[in-house]
Amino acid sequence: AQSVTQPDIHITVSEGASLELRCNYSYGATPYLFWYVQSPGQGLQLLLKYFSGDTLVQGIKGFEAEFKRSQSSFNLRKPSVHWSDAAEYFCAVGGRNNNDMRFGAGTRLTVKP
Amino acid sequence: GVTQSPTHLIKTRGQQVTLRCSSQSGHNTVSWYQQALGQGPQFIFQYYREEENGRGNFPPRFSGLQFPNDSSELNVNALELDDSALYLCASSLNPGLAGGGEQYFGPGTRLTVT
Repeated sequence: AQSVTQPDIHITVSEGASLELRCNYSYGATPYLFWYVQSPGQGLQLLLKYFSGDTLVQGIKGFEAEFKRSQSSFNLRKPSVHWSDAAEYFCAVGGRNNNDMRFGAGTRLTVKP
Repeated sequence: GVTQSPTHLIKTRGQQVTLRCSSQSGHNTVSWYQQALGQGPQFIFQYYREEENGRGNFPPRFSGLQFPNDSSELNVNALELDDSALYLCASSLNPGLAGGGEQYFGPGTRLTVT
């Protein structure tokens, strides 16, 4: 069965520090992997996605993620966090048609000044 | 963009509710998700060209409709307290595209069942 685990419920980092959010997945076929961000009262915004090819993918707002098949991981990184990055981050896995997507429980990011 | 109405809704257990979504222009696929407080979204179902095209682990009292004019509905009958959640819709292009094309999410409808 497919599933997504985000081990960190809440992370606090100082502004300007680097960030890594962890994501582990379980999926029977070729996974399509996504990271979304959700600000309070907002819908989800796609940060980046991985379908195939280069395992290091670049997204919006300076985020990147690395797909590691051997570790079933798709961790999100940012070299320098800005106060506006404070939000909830969700990792998701799905198939080709987006009709069976599974989301993790999310990681809440707090940014200290 | 994707819009949803109403923004907030309060219903009583046992009642029925209809939530509405207006997809991004030109998108022929809409997916609905339930997001309980403190959890990630859970896939309810997807509609492609007005036909159901996949369903998550939700009972039949959750049903949907998609209309030719880029709008869609989520209907929930016999509401239960556990149905209290944020309901999100997301529209996208042809699901045959790799990854189904990017999904664009609406802001959601907050449903409270008392």
